[in-house]
Amino acid sequence: GAGVSQSPSNKVTEKGKDVELRCDPISGHTALYWYRQSLGQGLEFLIYFQGNSAPDKSGLPSDRFSAERTGGSVSTLTIQRTQQEDSAVYLCASSLVTGYEQYFGPGTRLTVT
Amino acid sequence: EDKVVQSPLSLVVHEGDTVTLNCSYEVTNFRSLLWYKQEKKAPTFLFMLTSSGIEKKSGRLSSILDKKELFSILNITATQTGDSAIYLCAVEGWEDNDMRFGAGTRLTVKP
Repeated sequence: GAGVSQSPSNKVTEKGKDVELRCDPISGHTALYWYRQSLGQGLEFLIYFQGNSAPDKSGLPSDRFSAERTGGSVSTLTIQRTQQEDSAVYLCASSLVTGYEQYFGPGTRLTVT
Repeated sequence: EDKVVQSPLSLVVHEGDTVTLNCSYEVTNFRSLLWYKQEKKAPTFLFMLTSSGIEKKSGRLSSILDKKELFSILNITATQTGDSAIYLCAVEGWEDNDMRFGAGTRLTVKP
């Protein structure tokens, strides 16, 4: 079956611009996670959605980052006024419910010039 | 402060060698420990461990958890060049929804 998909696969943007990254989780998965990986770093948790509960935003690095999950399915991660340090691979994962194995999407490579 | 520490950070071996990767953690209200293999962009799930002393095995890979000593190991036997990757350890807590990741162990298997 279809896995987690993300778009775009690559995004190059100028410093100061806003970007939106999209994640389509596996159908029926109630939990959705956003992570990012910077060069030489491990995966960094950003935000987590579980069903209709309020999202856990504890990992968002600044107020320039926000995320939404509409209808319990598709999620969008928005980065406003991008900075060069935002350059990273942004990964989305979904799981049936929290605590179950996560299935990762291919990621979006963001480059801020 | 919750933390997950992996060791070694980097490891270079030759095909056929056996490797052991370590993950120690300090997490409030531990729920599960997960191992991932990361090649290129997307990590792939390997194991989820919740109980002490029960080995999980998949082919040449195996892992075990020690909840008393707060660590897990990932073993890879008869390594192959395709095993070259970053191996990530992550820990989930019951109350805190986020996952704590270690920095990963970069494994390089030479022919």
